[in-house]
Formats: sequence, structure tokens, C-alpha cells
Amino acid sequence: QQQVKQSPQSLIVQKGGIPIINCAYENTAFDYFPWYQQFPGKGPALLIAIRPDVSEKKEGRFTISFNKSAKQFSLHIMDSQPGDSATYFCAIFKGGAQKLVFGQGTRLTINP
Amino acid sequence: GAVVSQHPSRVICKSGTSVKIECRSLDFQATTMFWYRQFPKKSLMLMATSNEGSKATYEQGVEKDKFLINHASLTLSTLTVTSAHPEDSSFYICSLGASGYGYTFGSGTRLTVV
Repeated sequence: QQQVKQSPQSLIVQKGGIPIINCAYENTAFDYFPWYQQFPGKGPALLIAIRPDVSEKKEGRFTISFNKSAKQFSLHIMDSQPGDSATYFCAIFKGGAQKLVFGQGTRLTINP
Repeated sequence: GAVVSQHPSRVICKSGTSVKIECRSLDFQATTMFWYRQFPKKSLMLMATSNEGSKATYEQGVEKDKFLINHASLTLSTLTVTSAHPEDSSFYICSLGASGYGYTFGSGTRLTVV
């Protein structure tokens, strides 16, 4: 039962570019929408998260855009750097069940 | 935020043996912890929810007798892969269930069964 679909599967961007990763979810019963960054051989780390009553949230070079009516949210990385090369996962969270459900992941490569 | 220590980071074991993975909450009393499994280039799949002082709750399709979870204290949850087989080789990750916002993950354990 796939509740969140993430795209693209992989993405290559030149340094300074703005990679955009998209996620779509299937129902509206979620409390917040986080993005995680994972480097090879490491556990994921929370990057930024948004609640459904907010349309955009920015933290440093990372921005989440949230479209509740379309059931979509996306991650934008401004002024991308080679150090941003990692796998990014969107997730959906429902407080009652206390569970995170992850998207399929996007392998991002930032070329120097 | 909360800090999670997962150990070991890598383990190689022989087929048929059991392996224990520890997940410690260093600065947070965790009544709930979660165990995930991740195959190469794939997403994280929730295996089970570990509840302090009670039985773990397993996701559909996860063999509870194969993956034993113990959460005897507020700072420690363990996952034991019993009678391991090569198909159990994977990356196992724990996380704290810290009131929903900002889940903290361990650094993961790479299990290789030979």
C-alpha cells in the first residue's frame, strides 16, 4: 500500500542549480511532512518539515512547498553544492499511529 | 534534539547464527522506538514498533520469531535477527519516536550473512 510517491528517482544538477524533488500522497489524514537526507552507510537525518496548514517553509537553502489541494509537496535546494549529493526521502506522518511512511527516495548528485 | 546510538555499525555472521543490534537513546526516555530495514538503493521499510515494557508491534509480513525485539528500558531497544540467512542481509536502522516531530535515526547497522 503505497501512500506516498516520490519523483524523480535520480537527479543530476550542476553546482549552483536548484534541484526540485516532488512527492504526492494519497489521502489527507497526515499531520506533518518531513524531508530526510541520507548519506551512504548512514541513517537518515531530518532536513526540514512542514505542517499541512502552511504552504511554504524555508530553512537556509532548503524550502518545502506544500499544495494541500493537490496533495503534493516538494523540496527545493537553493545554490546547491556538491556536499548536498545524497539520497533524499520525503515522508508522511500520522500522529495517532506515530508512524513515518517514506517515499521511494531520490538520489541527488550535484556536479562541481 | 535527541541522540541515538546504534551498535554495531557493521556485522558479518554465518548463516544460522543470531545477531543482536542495539539502539540506545542517550538523552531521551523513549517509550517507543522503531526498527526499519533498507535494501540497497531502496527506501526504508518499517519493520516493527518497539514499546517499552510490552510486546513489539510488527508490520504485516514481518516475521516476529525471526526478528526479536526487546525494549526493556527507556533507553535501550534491541533487534535480534535469529537463525540468520543470506536474504536477511540488509541495512537495519532504528529511530526514536519522539512525539512525532523530528524523529531521530540511528546510524544504521550493515548486516551481512555469509
